[in-house]
Amino acid sequence: GNSVTQMEGPVTLSEEAFLTINCTYTATGYPSLFWYVQYPGEGLQLLLKATKADDKGSNKGFEATYRKETTSFHLEKGSVQVSDSAVYFCALINSGNTGKLIFGQGTTLQVKP
Amino acid sequence: GAVVSQHPSWVICKSGTSVKIECRSLDFQATTMFWYRQFPKQSLMLMATSNEGSKATYEQGVEKDKFLINHASLTLSTLTVTSAHPEDSSFYICSAFSGTANNEQFFGPGTRLTVL
Repeated sequence: GNSVTQMEGPVTLSEEAFLTINCTYTATGYPSLFWYVQYPGEGLQLLLKATKADDKGSNKGFEATYRKETTSFHLEKGSVQVSDSAVYFCALINSGNTGKLIFGQGTTLQVKP
Repeated sequence: GAVVSQHPSWVICKSGTSVKIECRSLDFQATTMFWYRQFPKQSLMLMATSNEGSKATYEQGVEKDKFLINHASLTLSTLTVTSAHPEDSSFYICSAFSGTANNEQFFGPGTRLTVL
C-alpha cells in the first residue's frame, strides 16, 4: 500500500541554520508529492509540490526534489527564520487521481532566535 | 490559490448535543471533499470521502451514524457530529479536491470542537 514516513521531531534550530526534514514514501505507480505546513491553531497550507520524478518544488525558500530512485522528497531550506516554526507534513496522492492524500506523521520545527 | 472555508471556526457544546460543521469551496467546484480529524500533536486522520450527490465513503473505524456527512452541492459539504461526547473533542479539517490534473487538495482552516 501507499505510505509516507517522516523523520521524528521536534527539530530545534537556531535562526539562519540549515534545515532538512527527511521524507520517504512507498507507493504504487507514480504519485504526486507534497509538503504542507500547519501553523498553530490553523489548517494546512500547501508549501510546495512535485508531480513527477526529478521535479523540484520550491516556495518561500523551501525546496524539495522528487527522487524516484530513493523514493524520497526531503524538505530543505538554507536559512530558517523564527516564523518558520510550524508542523510540516509530507504527503502523496496516488496516481489514480482519487485525490486521497496519504500523510506522514508530521515534523515539528522550532526555530529559536 | 483556491479558497476553502469552514464554519464555525470553533464550537463548544454540551455532551449529547449535535454539532454541524460546514465546508465550502469559495471559488471552484469540488468534486470531492475530505474530512479529517486531528488530535493534538498528531497527524491528520482521514475520516471520510464525500462526493457530491452520493453517499460518503467512511474509513475503517469511523462510525457513519456518529459522523454524518452530506455533500449537497459542488461547493458545500457538512459534517454533523451527532450526540457529541467529550471524546469527540478534536480539530476537524476539511479539504476540497477539484479533480484536476494538478492533484491538489485545498484545506479549510479547521474547526475546533470542544464537548463539555
